[in-house]
Amino acid sequence: EDQVTQSPEALRLQEGESSSLNCSYTVSGLRGLFWYRQDPGKGPEFLFTLYSAGEEKEKERLKATLTKKESFLHITAPKPEDSATYLCAVSTSYGKLTFGQGTILTVHP
Amino acid sequence: KAGVTQTPRYLIKTRGQQVTLSCSPISGHRSVSWYQQTPGQGLQFLFEYFSETQRNKGNFPGRFSGRQFSNSRSEMNVSTLELGDSALYLCASSLAFVENSPLHFGNGTRLTVT
Repeated sequence: EDQVTQSPEALRLQEGESSSLNCSYTVSGLRGLFWYRQDPGKGPEFLFTLYSAGEEKEKERLKATLTKKESFLHITAPKPEDSATYLCAVSTSYGKLTFGQGTILTVHP
Repeated sequence: KAGVTQTPRYLIKTRGQQVTLSCSPISGHRSVSWYQQTPGQGLQFLFEYFSETQRNKGNFPGRFSGRQFSNSRSEMNVSTLELGDSALYLCASSLAFVENSPLHFGNGTRLTVT
């Protein structure tokens, strides 16, 4: 059975304090690993897709990396507006994503 | 470009009733997926439709069903509602030409069963 585990469950940072979120996965036949951001009362917002080990993608203060067993979302010099729940998911078939439980990020000014 | 639109945003129903939720995908997207989000279980896959055909189904009872129309719009139906069906129901659309096309989510329908 496909499994996705995210850590930590919650992370509190000061503005400007860089850190990383972890997503470890166990799947049979990874077709893609996705990172989403979810704000309260809204649906998940797509951030990145990673397809193969060694791949990296960047967007503003966020950088996602992928190995054969895990992915990291690095947040550099975060701002309060980066506060959200960050979700990791793996794709194994059409339209089907298996999600982790998410990391709740809070950035204090 | 308009995003995924879900209606209604909020719904309150009584146990035993049935409910229909609606989803309009992003223009040009032909695949629609449905997910249930609860605090305890997180996001769980319900089913996926492409060209009016269900291609994939999650581990939910038969009370949960869906369909897709020729214009790619989709509906999901839950019959004989139970208290445990209270959740945020999210619809997502994608281009679907490859298995790993990113899903783009709507803001969901919040269903409360009393």
